[in-house]
Amino acid sequence: EPEVTQTPSHQVTQMGQEVILRCVPISNHLYFYWYRQILGQKVEFLVSFYNNEISEKSEIFDDQFSVERPDGSNFTLKIRSTKLEDSAMYFCASKGGGGPTDTQYFGPGTRLTVL
Amino acid sequence: AQSVAQPEDQVNVAEGNPLTVKCTYSVSGNPYLFWYVQYPNRGLQFLLKYITGDNLVKGSYGFEAEFNKSQTSFHLKKPSALVSDSALYFCAVRDARAARQLTFGSGTQLTVLP
Repeated sequence: EPEVTQTPSHQVTQMGQEVILRCVPISNHLYFYWYRQILGQKVEFLVSFYNNEISEKSEIFDDQFSVERPDGSNFTLKIRSTKLEDSAMYFCASKGGGGPTDTQYFGPGTRLTVL
Repeated sequence: AQSVAQPEDQVNVAEGNPLTVKCTYSVSGNPYLFWYVQYPNRGLQFLLKYITGDNLVKGSYGFEAEFNKSQTSFHLKKPSALVSDSALYFCAVRDARAARQLTFGSGTQLTVLP
């Protein structure tokens, strides 16, 4: 069964450093998402991406964040200058169709620790 | 705005007993409702969803959920719990008229005791 994959599984970085989290969505999917989950808190939406552009973003997704689909398979989340409060589990998700009833499938997550 | 509440942080149930994990939602339009499960060190796995039609939805691993519009609830159920069902369960909602993202509840840790 096809699945979303994410690398690395755990990233440790120093405050102020740039990080890139990588995701490989399910191959025929067209809609891509990033969510994050701060330890002990809810899963929160960050951004959605379709047709090589951001279709929606939350207030969390400020200028420090960017997303990119550099090739036909990868979908990346970049945090330009990490802050302590960026420490969280980051989930990538993908969806095949554009309908609101289509299911988002999630990857295993990347645990980001900012020191 | 859309929101989800999972009133119980923790649910404990004995193996073989029925289990219920509660979820209530708030949306301005029609809701699309989802349950996901998260095992340790794993991502969110889709269990089931309600879009329209029959209020009782059946999903993976013997789970089912009942949509109740008047109570704005979508409780997850299983007739006979297994120890392997122990995991973190998330309810999520998407407003049919609104944005593309899911709004998640805070999660309920289910522990099935042998």
